[in-house]
Amino acid sequence: AQSVTQPDIHITVSEGASLELRCNYSYGATPYLFWYVQSPGQGLQLLLKYFSGDTLVQGIKGFEAEFKRSQSSFNLRKPSVHWSDAAEYFCAVGPSGGYNKLIFGAGTRLAVHP
Amino acid sequence: EPEVTQTPSHQVTQMGQEVILRCVPISNHLYFYWYRQILGQKVEFLVSFYNNEISEKSEIFDDQFSVERPDGSNFTLKIRSTKLEDSAMYFCASRGATEAFFGQGTRLTVV
Repeated sequence: AQSVTQPDIHITVSEGASLELRCNYSYGATPYLFWYVQSPGQGLQLLLKYFSGDTLVQGIKGFEAEFKRSQSSFNLRKPSVHWSDAAEYFCAVGPSGGYNKLIFGAGTRLAVHP
Repeated sequence: EPEVTQTPSHQVTQMGQEVILRCVPISNHLYFYWYRQILGQKVEFLVSFYNNEISEKSEIFDDQFSVERPDGSNFTLKIRSTKLEDSAMYFCASRGATEAFFGQGTRLTVV
């Protein structure tokens, strides 16, 4: 079955600290992988995506993610968190082509302490 | 930068009433989707639409739901007779070659 697991429901970090949000997936074929961010009351903004090639991808707002096929993981990282990064982060997987849906994880809510 | 536009941003409706949620996808995109997010829960797929027909739908998308693309630009989701449990944020998305772009969502509150 296709699924996405984000093991951490809530994470709290101090401003300036590093961050890693975990994402594991189960998918039949090689998927496309995405991280979206949702600020309170807002829509979903694409942070970054992985399709193929270099397994370390850079996104907006200083985020990066690393695809590890052997671990079926696509963890999101940021070296130094800013207070404005407080939001909910969703990992998603989708097919490499066609019209098929995205499957989302349950999300990780990030709180940032000053 | 092109974006997906949804209207209204917030809709309150009485149980049993029909609602239509509207979306304007990105103009050269071919795949369209509706997702919903019940408060505090994950984003769930409802339906995908391609070539003027539904290509896939979830178990949530029962006979009370319908979608159409009436004029080649708008993409609508209709809920015929709303229930309390339809209260959620509804997201429209459109996809080009690769990634999907999401609208800001319509918060539907059924009272």
